[in-house]
Amino acid sequence: DAGVTQSPTHLIKTRGQQVTLRCSPKSGHDTVSWYQQALGQGPQFIFQYYEEEERQRGNFPDRFSGHQFPNYSSELNVNALLLGDSALYLCASSPRGASTDTQYFGPGTRLTVL
Amino acid sequence: EDQVTQSPEALRLQEGESSSLNCSYTVSGLRGLFWYRQDPGKGPEFLFTLYSAGEEKEKERLKATLTKKESFLHITAPKPEDSATYLCAVRPDSWGKLQFGAGTQVVVTP
Repeated sequence: DAGVTQSPTHLIKTRGQQVTLRCSPKSGHDTVSWYQQALGQGPQFIFQYYEEEERQRGNFPDRFSGHQFPNYSSELNVNALLLGDSALYLCASSPRGASTDTQYFGPGTRLTVL
Repeated sequence: EDQVTQSPEALRLQEGESSSLNCSYTVSGLRGLFWYRQDPGKGPEFLFTLYSAGEEKEKERLKATLTKKESFLHITAPKPEDSATYLCAVRPDSWGKLQFGAGTQVVVTP
């Protein structure tokens, strides 16, 4: 049973560019959440998608946007990249939209903005 | 404002030396407290979920407990492979957002 997968593993971009990160949830899961983790910090919630809609959003600017596809996979888009966007971006999935269920994390995408 | 604080920030243990990590939280309404383990450069790995005060969960050398204001992760007779950062997170509402602490970095030496 495949766990949560993310691509790419690493990415280097320059300031002002745009980036798209991808996530496939664990089999049987339909809810996807995205987190940003700066070095030495805990993950910070960006947003959550369920039934192809953004269900909840954290304190991130509109430069951060997302999408969920009918097969439950998801994308995170970041426009006008800033140096401060350099971080590990984590995707987490949970089953059947249930709010009390555990979130399982993928390996992350390491984004470096130069 | 919801807040999660973990202590200590770092912990160095000898193999076999038991210890406890603390996670204190302030949330308007707790819908679950979660413990994760994270190895460098990797995603968090789920360990435990606790829902109500007095609840305890165990897995190998780890035991998590929960009170109304804090949770403890007890590591009994740790081994070098227990070296990792341990993250605590709370779900403060009925939706999916997890709010994390900054983590405790544990190093276990032989």
